[in-house]
Parts: sequence; C-alpha cells; structure tokens
Amino acid sequence: EVQLVESGGGFVHPGGSLRLSCGASGFTFSSYEFNWVRQAPGKGLEWVSYISSTGTTIYYADSVRGRFTISRDNAKKSLYLQMNSLRVEDTAFYYCARAPFNLGDWGQGTLVTVSS
Amino acid sequence: DIQMTQSPSSLSASVGDRVTITCQASQDINNYLNWYQQKPGKAPKLLIYDASSLQTGVPSRFSGSGTGTDFTFTINSLQPEDIATYFCLQYDDVPYTFGQGTKLEIK
Repeated sequence: EVQLVESGGGFVHPGGSLRLSCGASGFTFSSYEFNWVRQAPGKGLEWVSYISSTGTTIYYADSVRGRFTISRDNAKKSLYLQMNSLRVEDTAFYYCARAPFNLGDWGQGTLVTVSS
Repeated sequence: DIQMTQSPSSLSASVGDRVTITCQASQDINNYLNWYQQKPGKAPKLLIYDASSLQTGVPSRFSGSGTGTDFTFTINSLQPEDIATYFCLQYDDVPYTFGQGTKLEIK
C-alpha cells in the first residue's frame, strides 16, 4: 500500500523557517517524481513545487521561488521542503503528492502557521 | 500560466439528482485534467484522471468528459456521502493549476 506521511509543520513567526518532510513507503521511491501542494485554511489548492526522480529537474510556483527549496533523499525515501523567509500568506496545509498526479497518491498534510 | 475556470462555485442539489461541474482551461491541456473530492479535514481524493478515466475503487456514478479546453464532471444520482468540495486540476504544464472549487450541498 502506498503511504505518504508529511511532518515538520508548526507555528513560526514571519521571516522564520521550517523544513517539511514527506516519508514514503509501499513503492520504489527513487523511481517517482513528487509535488508539494498547499491549501490555506478554508481556501483552494495551490501547487507549490515539483521535483524529478533524480532531483535534477525542479520547478516552483512564483509565490515561493527564491524562498522555498524542494529536495529528496532517495536512500531515506524522503521528500523535503525547506521554507525560508516565511510570510503570513504561507499559512496552509502542505501536502506531498506522488507524480504524475494521475497516480492519485497524496499524504494527509501538515499544517504550517505563520503569525506574529 | 494556464488558468482554470471552474463553475459553479457552489451547488445545492437533492439526493438522486444529476450534478454537473465544469472546468475551462485557458489553453489546450491535452486532457491532463483530474477531478478531486475533498471533505473537511481530509486530503483531496482523486476521482477522475486524464479527463475521463475513473480511479480504481471510485463509484461509477462519478464520470468525466471533455477534451481540449472544456471539461465536465458529473455525479449521476447524488448520494448524501457526496457532500464535499470538488476541484479540477490541470497538470499539462507548470505551474500546475487548480480550479477554484465547487462546494456541493444537499437541498
């Protein structure tokens, strides 16, 4: 069974940093690409970032480019999102999702709250 | 960027009704279009992928159609457990973009 489990969310002040993790099991992690998607409480969904299976191809949404860094450790079967210079508007549930999206596998999400 | 225009934003229907939601893309997305169901406090659940393919385990009352830029999601014979918010997603090109969502309620 495919499982994706996010962790690392929490409360942070504006300008602070957090590192999210997504642990994977039930499939060959190194063969797959991944996305991060976020959802502000009560709002719609926003794609954040993509990483290829080898980590050599990476894309970001304009709203996070230069502040967030996606990475992966295939040996640890883990995906990461380093979030720096956090803003109030980054407050959201963050989901990791296996790519391509037609696979349908998402984690349960982790909540990041940015507030003064 | 590809814009996804989803309508309606909310919908009230009765049990047994047929419900239709549409998404229009600002350019051809080669049928890389998914439909998701999301219930409060839960992650989105994939119902339809590649515009018209039913995800394994999803009831057959859910269906999708369309091609190019215009897509339709249908629930035949609405059930009480279908109360949720529904989103479309294009994943033809980055930045991947979602529709604004349709909140479905029971009359």
